[in-house]
Amino acid sequence: QQQVKQSPQSLIVQKGGIPIINCAYENTAFDYFPWYQQFPGKGPALLIAIRPDVSEKKEGRFTISFNKSAKQFSLHIMDSQPGDSATYFCAASRGGSGGGADGLTFGKGTHLIIQP
Amino acid sequence: GAVVSQHPSWVICKSGTSVKIECRSLDFQATTMFWYRQFPKQSLMLMATSNEGSKATYEQGVEKDKFLINHASLTLSTLTVTSAHPEDSSFYICSAKTNVDYTFGSGTRLTVV
Repeated sequence: QQQVKQSPQSLIVQKGGIPIINCAYENTAFDYFPWYQQFPGKGPALLIAIRPDVSEKKEGRFTISFNKSAKQFSLHIMDSQPGDSATYFCAASRGGSGGGADGLTFGKGTHLIIQP
Repeated sequence: GAVVSQHPSWVICKSGTSVKIECRSLDFQATTMFWYRQFPKQSLMLMATSNEGSKATYEQGVEKDKFLINHASLTLSTLTVTSAHPEDSSFYICSAKTNVDYTFGSGTRLTVV
């Protein structure tokens, strides 16, 4: 059973456009929702994360929108650049703040290409 | 910020041999370490959770006798793939939980020939 569903699987956007990646979760016990960027052969790097007490969070060019009632969250990348081309994963966990947290459940990933 | 150092970054081994992967937390104490496996063009799948000084907890379908995890100190956790076979070839990544978020190692590409 896939607990975090991510879409689209792949996405091509022109430079300067705003790619949007969506995720939906099933486990209402999840309370930490991060987004990771991964380049080939490297470990994932945290971009931005949100907790369910807020509906939106911005950090630089990255924005997370969170809809608790719909159990959905999305990543927006403003002013996208070719260097943003990578695979993006959403994830979720329970007990994400402080100690005693579970491991992360990842979405299947989105392969993003930003065309010059 | 918190850094997890993972070694080796890549390893090639013969079928039937064992391989050890190390993850060290460099500037913090990692009470809990998570181990993930990622097959090509796929997502990260949690294999096991290790807590310092206690036995690891394995996810369903992960063979605990094949993937030995040791977390003997607050700064070092190891994953040993025993009697490796070609189907064990994958990208293995460790992650430690800090007070803020999860920090990942850079991964180990294991190829079993």
